[in-house]
Amino acid sequence: EVQLVQSGAEVKKPGESLKISCKGSGYSFTSNWIAWVRQMPGKGLEWMGFIYPGDSDTRYSPSFQGQVTLSADKSISTAYLQWSSLKASDTAMYYCARKLDSRNWFDPWGQGTLVTVSS
Amino acid sequence: QSALTQPASVSGSPGQSITISCTGTSSDVGGYNYVSWYQQHPGKAPKLMIYDVSNRPSGVSNRFSGSKSGNTASLTISGLQAEDEADYYCSSYRSSSPQVIFGGGTKLTVL
Repeated sequence: EVQLVQSGAEVKKPGESLKISCKGSGYSFTSNWIAWVRQMPGKGLEWMGFIYPGDSDTRYSPSFQGQVTLSADKSISTAYLQWSSLKASDTAMYYCARKLDSRNWFDPWGQGTLVTVSS
Repeated sequence: QSALTQPASVSGSPGQSITISCTGTSSDVGGYNYVSWYQQHPGKAPKLMIYDVSNRPSGVSNRFSGSKSGNTASLTISGLQAEDEADYYCSSYRSSSPQVIFGGGTKLTVL
C-alpha cells in the first residue's frame, strides 16, 4: 500500500524554528515528487512546492519561496518542510502528497500536520 | 496568484445529480488536460477523485465524472449519497509559476 505518514502536531512560539516530516512507503520514494500543500483554518488548499527526493530538485510557489525550505533524506524515504522563523500566520494544516513524475495530480496524501504558532 | 473559481456551495437531494464548475484561463484549465478534483471530508486529508479532466482512480465510484469545455472544468456527481457531503477542490497545472493552482473549494450539502 502506498502511504505517506506525517509527523505529529506542533505548537510553537513566533520566531521559533520548525521542521515537519513526511515518510513514504510502498513505492519508489526517489522516483516521485513530494508536494506540500497548506490549508489555513477554514480556508482552501494552497500549493507550496515540490521536491524530487532522487536529486533534491525543488520547485517553490512564489508565495512560499524564501519563506520555507523543502528537503528530503532518501535514505529514510522522508521529506521535510521547515521554517527558520515562524509567524502567527503560519498557523495551518500542512499536507504532503505524492506526485508521480510527469503527472499532474496528487495521490495519496498524508494525514496532515497541524502547526499552531502562538505567543 | 488567483485561485481557480468555484462556487462556494452547492446542494442536492439524495439520488439527484449535481455539477461543480471550476473556471480558469487559457494558461491553466483551458490550455492543458491536467485538471484534477479532490474530495475533503471535515478533519480529513483530501482524496483524489478525478485526474486529467475525466479519469477516475481505481476505487472511486463511477458516480463521479469530470469534463472540460474551454476554460471551465466540471465535476458531476450522480445518484447523490449522504457520504458525498464534503468540500471539493479542483486543481490545474499552469504554464507559468506557480505550476499548480487550486480552486477555492465548494461545499456540497446533501439535503
